[in-house]
Amino acid sequence: DADVTQTPRNRITKTGKRIMLECSQTKGHDRMYWYRQDPGLGLRLIYYSFDVKDINKGEISDGYSVSRQAQAKFSLSLESAIPNQTALYFCATSGSYEQYFGPGTRLTVT
Amino acid sequence: EDQVTQSPEALRLQEGESSSLNCSYTVSGLRGLFWYRQDPGKGPEFLFTLYSAGEEKEKERLKATLTKKESFLHITAPKPEDSATYLCAVQADGSEKLVFGKGTKLTVNP
Repeated sequence: DADVTQTPRNRITKTGKRIMLECSQTKGHDRMYWYRQDPGLGLRLIYYSFDVKDINKGEISDGYSVSRQAQAKFSLSLESAIPNQTALYFCATSGSYEQYFGPGTRLTVT
Repeated sequence: EDQVTQSPEALRLQEGESSSLNCSYTVSGLRGLFWYRQDPGKGPEFLFTLYSAGEEKEKERLKATLTKKESFLHITAPKPEDSATYLCAVQADGSEKLVFGKGTKLTVNP
C-alpha cells in the first residue's frame, strides 16, 4: 500500500462549487503539506501543518482552506472553485527534512 | 527571495550517453537541497538530500553534488527507464517551504 494516498485522483467541477481533496498517510509523520503544480510554474506551497493544532499558510493560500483531522489526515478545500484553480494538487509529508509526495489529484474547474 | 533555476529545460540522450543536469540556487541560508524524479501524472519521488557544499550522494546511475551556488545531477550510462522530469528544490533555514525549480525533462532513447 502507498504511504501517501490522495482522493479523488481526478475531479472535474464547475465554477462556484465547493470541493474537498483528501490526503492520508501511513508514514507516521507530523508534518503535512499541500502543493499545486502548474505547467511552467513548478510546485508551489498552499498550506502546511505541523500537527492537528498548527496550520500555516504557504505562498498561495488565497481561495483555499485546510483541515487537519488527525495526524494522518489533511484535507484541502476550495470554497468556491474558479477556473484558474485548475491544476495538479499534491499532498506531502515529512518527518524531518525530506518531503514525500502523494500521487496527486488532477482538478479541472470549468 | 529564494530562487532555483534548472537547466537545460529538456535533454535528449542516447542510451549509455552520460550527462549532467544543473540546478543553480540562491537561498538565505541553506537547510537542504533536494532532488526529485517525477514521471508523467505522478507525484515527485524523492532521490537525494544534500546539506553542505562538497557533499555528494549516489544511487544507481545517479550522482548528486553540491557547491555553494549550484548542484549537479550526473547521470552515468542512462537507460530509457531513466526518462523523467528531474526536479531540484531548496529549503532555507527556519522555513518549511520547498522552493522548486521548473525541472529538466530527460528523455533517453534506446
